[in-house]
Amino acid sequence: GEDVEQSLFLSVREGDSSVINCTYTDSSSTYLYWYKQEPGAGLQLLTYIFSNMDMKQDQRLTVLLNKKDKHLSLRIADTQTGDSAIYFCAESSNTGNQFYFGTGTSLTVIP
Amino acid sequence: DAGVTQSPTHLIKTRGQQVTLRCSPISGHKSVSWYQQVLGQGPQFIFQYYEKEERGRGNFPDRFSARQFPNYSSELNVNALLLGDSALYLCASSPAGDQPQHFGDGTRLSIL
Repeated sequence: GEDVEQSLFLSVREGDSSVINCTYTDSSSTYLYWYKQEPGAGLQLLTYIFSNMDMKQDQRLTVLLNKKDKHLSLRIADTQTGDSAIYFCAESSNTGNQFYFGTGTSLTVIP
Repeated sequence: DAGVTQSPTHLIKTRGQQVTLRCSPISGHKSVSWYQQVLGQGPQFIFQYYEKEERGRGNFPDRFSARQFPNYSSELNVNALLLGDSALYLCASSPAGDQPQHFGDGTRLSIL
């Protein structure tokens, strides 16, 4: 299967920006995704980016895609305590019928 | 509009038993995927179904099977349960295969 890697932990102060990074292996993915998971819950789709885009902004969220380096990042501006959760990066196979998730980055926001 | 719904929310089984998990997709979504999430890890892809046909299969043993019904709901079956099958089983739906997936809250399966 594909290999999607993320750092395990990130801690930021409330009001600061958070940047969560991800590297992936399938250069033919059509979309790349960011999901948020709160304790005991399923995954919430935060945002996604089409593979022919470099950047996508959605309110406090900014996604950057570097296809050459196969690197995806999620920036959360003005991070709030409610943003504390696990964030997963995901890619789809080139046929779109398999999805691969990273191990998740646990974001802790310090008041 | 209702999101993806899964039932039951929690389930306790013993080794060797069989289990069936159910999923109703978002209205209008024709693709359903199943994932296994072991504590502390990311979701692992099990199956994808689109228009009642299997379109993708992850690296899981034949003890795992699934099907999709004409109304696009889906069931995941696991036979001969092992302790290692204890996990959160997530269902996700999308309008078609390679489109953003929306997840349910999952079924927490515990094997004793």
